[in-house]
Amino acid sequence: EPEVTQTPSHQVTQMGQEVILRCVPISNHLYFYWYRQILGQKVEFLVSFYNNEISEKSEIFDDQFSVERPDGSNFTLKIRSTKLEDSAMYFCASRNRGGNTEAFFGQGTRLTVV
Amino acid sequence: GQQVMQIPQYQHVQEGEDFTTYCNSSTTLSNIQWYKQRPGGHPVFLIQLVKSGEVKKQKRLTFQFGEAKKNSSLHITATQTTDVGTYFCAVHYGNNRLAFGKGNQVVVIP
Repeated sequence: EPEVTQTPSHQVTQMGQEVILRCVPISNHLYFYWYRQILGQKVEFLVSFYNNEISEKSEIFDDQFSVERPDGSNFTLKIRSTKLEDSAMYFCASRNRGGNTEAFFGQGTRLTVV
Repeated sequence: GQQVMQIPQYQHVQEGEDFTTYCNSSTTLSNIQWYKQRPGGHPVFLIQLVKSGEVKKQKRLTFQFGEAKKNSSLHITATQTTDVGTYFCAVHYGNNRLAFGKGNQVVVIP
């Protein structure tokens, strides 16, 4: 069964460093998302991406965040200068068409900023 | 932005009993989705409801969408230990935003 894959599963980084979280969405999917979940809290929307551009972003997604789909298969989230409060689980998700279809989530990357 | 409120946030349920979790909106929704996240896992899609008054069943799970399309519920009968986790409702709005409620964390007592 096709699935969304994310790497790495866990990343530890020093405050102020740049990190890139990687995702491979399901191959025929067109809509891509990044979410963040601080331990025990809600799943927070960060950004959605369609047709090679950002379609929506939340207030959390400020200038230190960026997304890219560099090669037609990978979908990356970059955090330029990490802060302690960026420590969270980051989930990538994808869905295959409009009409508000279900989103398929990856296993997540646990980011720890020290 | 569009918000959905989930109640309760936490539930302790005795194995074998039934429970219900609710999702409420102040505005009319075009549709609503439910997801389940097991402890340490990722959200997994359960169902989508679109029509006013819609009721869908998946084995011991019954999902309802209110007549006014402003609220939804998930009712689980004969709770099992495998039902442990957090249940989220989620709505699409805007250009391409799927927003989640805060979730209902369910603990099952054997």
